[in-house]
Amino acid sequence: DAKTTQPNSMESNEEEPVHLPCNHSTISGTDYIHWYRQLPSQGPEYVIHGLTSNVNNRMASLAIAEDRKSSTLILHRATLRDAAVYYCILRDVGSGTYKYIFGTGTRLKVLA
Amino acid sequence: DTGVSQNPRHKITKRGQNVTFRCDPISEHNRLYWYRQTLGQGPEFLTYFQNEAQLEKSRLLSDRFSAERPKGSFSTLEIQRTEQGDSAMYLCASSISGRAQSEQFFGPGTRLTVL
Repeated sequence: DAKTTQPNSMESNEEEPVHLPCNHSTISGTDYIHWYRQLPSQGPEYVIHGLTSNVNNRMASLAIAEDRKSSTLILHRATLRDAAVYYCILRDVGSGTYKYIFGTGTRLKVLA
Repeated sequence: DTGVSQNPRHKITKRGQNVTFRCDPISEHNRLYWYRQTLGQGPEFLTYFQNEAQLEKSRLLSDRFSAERPKGSFSTLEIQRTEQGDSAMYLCASSISGRAQSEQFFGPGTRLTVL
């Protein structure tokens, strides 16, 4: 399974944009990039996913490098409720498996 | 849609006892997953079902662990002869097949403490 590398922690001020990086230098052509987040005392929740093109949804944007070896999750205006651990996960659609391999994620702290 | 539910939310047991957890997925979801999460770590995959068939098991799932999904709806995870190292949050998730990148919806977890 391809691995991802994320910073252990980041801080942001409330109402400012946040860019959460993820490196995945061993990504294969059939790996999708998924982002989940885990708020305190809750299970993870889906944020966004993409393959090659940048993606936007109501929660965030996902910017994928042209060589796909890195990606960035963008929260456009951080709120206190965005404080969570953010996980960048690769899932190989060609492998026939549906499991996620989570790393340790990035703990985002949002300052009021 | 009530989401994925798990019961109990907390379980304290003594070493050597057996415990069973239940997961009720979102009703139309035919895939169900179990993960385990220890403090400061991301969730680790344990096993997953498509309908009632258990299609993949992690090497983490020792012979003391067994999971079932008898009718393709709810699932149970049993741990026999619990050890202190089994203390963790056990998370269940579900998803729908038919879409290659169907997101997984996670429940709130069952926190197990083995004394």
